[in-house]
Amino acid sequence: AQKVTQAQTEISVVEKEDVTLDCVYETRDTTYYLFWYKQPPSGELVFLIRRNSFDEQNEISGRYSWNFQKSTSSFNFTITASQVVDSAVYFCALSENPLPLLIQGAQKLVFGQGTRLTINP
Amino acid sequence: DSGVTQTPKHLITATGQRVTLRCSPRSGDLSVYWYQQSLDQGLQFLIHYYNGEERAKGNILERFSAQQFPDLHSELNLSSLELGDSALYFCASSVDWTASTDTQYFGPGTRLTVL
Repeated sequence: AQKVTQAQTEISVVEKEDVTLDCVYETRDTTYYLFWYKQPPSGELVFLIRRNSFDEQNEISGRYSWNFQKSTSSFNFTITASQVVDSAVYFCALSENPLPLLIQGAQKLVFGQGTRLTINP
Repeated sequence: DSGVTQTPKHLITATGQRVTLRCSPRSGDLSVYWYQQSLDQGLQFLIHYYNGEERAKGNILERFSAQQFPDLHSELNLSSLELGDSALYFCASSVDWTASTDTQYFGPGTRLTVL
């Protein structure tokens, strides 16, 4: 069965500090998809990144970076020089490919419990 | 703004009642997903529709049902409501769930409070 673990329930840092949010996943499938979503205080879920299991390149987008390591089943998220606007709950999610290998796809997302990040001024 | 719309934003009702949550997907998206976010269960997948047909079910209660209409909007019906059904209900949409680049974009959610 699929499972996503975000061991850090809450993190609090001072503005401009770097912070890393951990995500560990479990899956039996060889093809799967990993995601990060942000839920600000307003409540909506905002898509941040998607990573396919066959693409192990790390990604950087501005102050955000993601480290995907298949060997440790981890997909960690780092915010560099954090800002107050980064305060939110961050969710890591996993989706398996439910179809035969001829058809790539994904259906339901399995979410971790989320990490509440607070950036203090 | 993801382009996914959900109505109503808030809903307060009593136990035993029935409510309908509505979702309009992003333009061009054929897939609609429903999720429930509660304090004790976290974010859980309920059901997935693609182009009007049910594709996958999660831990959706028998008291809950959903459908996707020809114009691709979807409705989630919750009946015989219980206090434990109080939660934030999200709708998400994606272009085509069979694509390896497919990504689900979420609406703002409907907050349901059962008193």
